[in-house]
Amino acid sequence: KAGVTQTPRYLIKTRGQQVTLSCSPISGHRSVSWYQQTPGQGLQFLFEYFSETQRNKGNFPGRFSGRQFSNSRSEMNVSTLELGDSALYLCASSETGDGYTFGSGTRLTVV
Amino acid sequence: KNEVEQSPQNLTAQEGEFITINCSYSVGISALHWLQQHPGGGIVSLFMLSSGKKKHGRLIATINIQEKHSSLHITASHPRDSAVYICALNTDKLIFGTGTRLQVFP
Repeated sequence: KAGVTQTPRYLIKTRGQQVTLSCSPISGHRSVSWYQQTPGQGLQFLFEYFSETQRNKGNFPGRFSGRQFSNSRSEMNVSTLELGDSALYLCASSETGDGYTFGSGTRLTVV
Repeated sequence: KNEVEQSPQNLTAQEGEFITINCSYSVGISALHWLQQHPGGGIVSLFMLSSGKKKHGRLIATINIQEKHSSLHITASHPRDSAVYICALNTDKLIFGTGTRLQVFP
């Protein structure tokens, strides 16, 4: 069974640009959640999608958005990038919303 | 006050030692996760607990729901156990501890 696939692995963007990250969950998993990890704040929940609907959202500004497609693949978008958005972005998929399988992450650097 | 506290923050051990990492929390949860993160970022889910104790190889995880406390134990630690161990609370979302950085030396 293929794991959770995140693309790209690494990304360098300039302040003010926007970025889209992709997450393909394990086949059959309908829940995809996104997390941001920084040295200062640790791991923080961004949002969760289940069957194309956002089920929960963390405390992040509206510049952070996401969506889920009918095949359960999910994308997250960050607009008007700031230096502080530099982080490791992780997604996780779940069949039931309890056990999670994480992807390897996308490391975003904003310069 | 943080909803979840992990201790210690850093831990060094000699190969073969018994390791304990603690996680205390203050909110209601449906389950608690123990996660392992190696350099490079990938996270592996080790355990999901809602009560009692689970064992997988040299790893043992326990949870006391009444005391709102969980522990992760590593028996006969090995250098390959060196990683960051993170507890995460399962509420309507995952709430993460700050992690324990473990280094095991040969």
